[in-house]
Amino acid sequence: EPEVTQTPSHQVTQMGQEVILRCVPISNHLYFYWYRQILGQKVEFLVSFYNNEISEKSEIFDDQFSVERPDGSNFTLKIRSTKLEDSAMYFCASSERLLGAYEQYFGPGTRLTVT
Amino acid sequence: DAKTTQPPSMDCAEGRAANLPCNHSTISGNEYVYWYRQIHSQGPQYIIHGLKNNETNEMASLIITEDRKSSTLILPHATLRDTAVYYCIAHNTGNQFYFGTGTSLTVIP
Repeated sequence: EPEVTQTPSHQVTQMGQEVILRCVPISNHLYFYWYRQILGQKVEFLVSFYNNEISEKSEIFDDQFSVERPDGSNFTLKIRSTKLEDSAMYFCASSERLLGAYEQYFGPGTRLTVT
Repeated sequence: DAKTTQPPSMDCAEGRAANLPCNHSTISGNEYVYWYRQIHSQGPQYIIHGLKNNETNEMASLIITEDRKSSTLILPHATLRDTAVYYCIAHNTGNQFYFGTGTSLTVIP
């Protein structure tokens, strides 16, 4: 069964450093998403991406964040200058479509630890 | 998306049916009810969704009341691996799935 994959599974970085989290969505999916979950808190939407553009973003997704689809398979989330409060699980998701009933399929997540 | 309300926690004996309720009294006519679960800190896993008819798949059944104000997810024979947080989401179009606090289901041996 096709699945969303994410690398690395765990990333440790120092405050102020840049990190790039990588995702490979399901191959025939056209819509891509990033969510995050701070330990013990809810899963929160960050951004959605379609046709090489951001289609929606939350207030969490400020200028420190960016997303990119650098090739036909990868989807990345970059945090330019990490802060302690960026420590969280980051989940990538993808869906085949956006209208009507559709499922978002999530990857296993990347645990980001900022020290 | 309509707000959903779920009990914070439930227990279920292994092998028995787990019935997880969800209230979505302000749901609009074109919003679907989705269920996801999250095992420990893994990525949310899609379970099932429905609009107004009851639905069944290999994982679970979804019963939606006729007025669509509430629904129940049924895991017919719960196993220890079904221990997870279960999220009920009312969603129409748009990008975001809003995950609330869900129901923490513990399956007891």
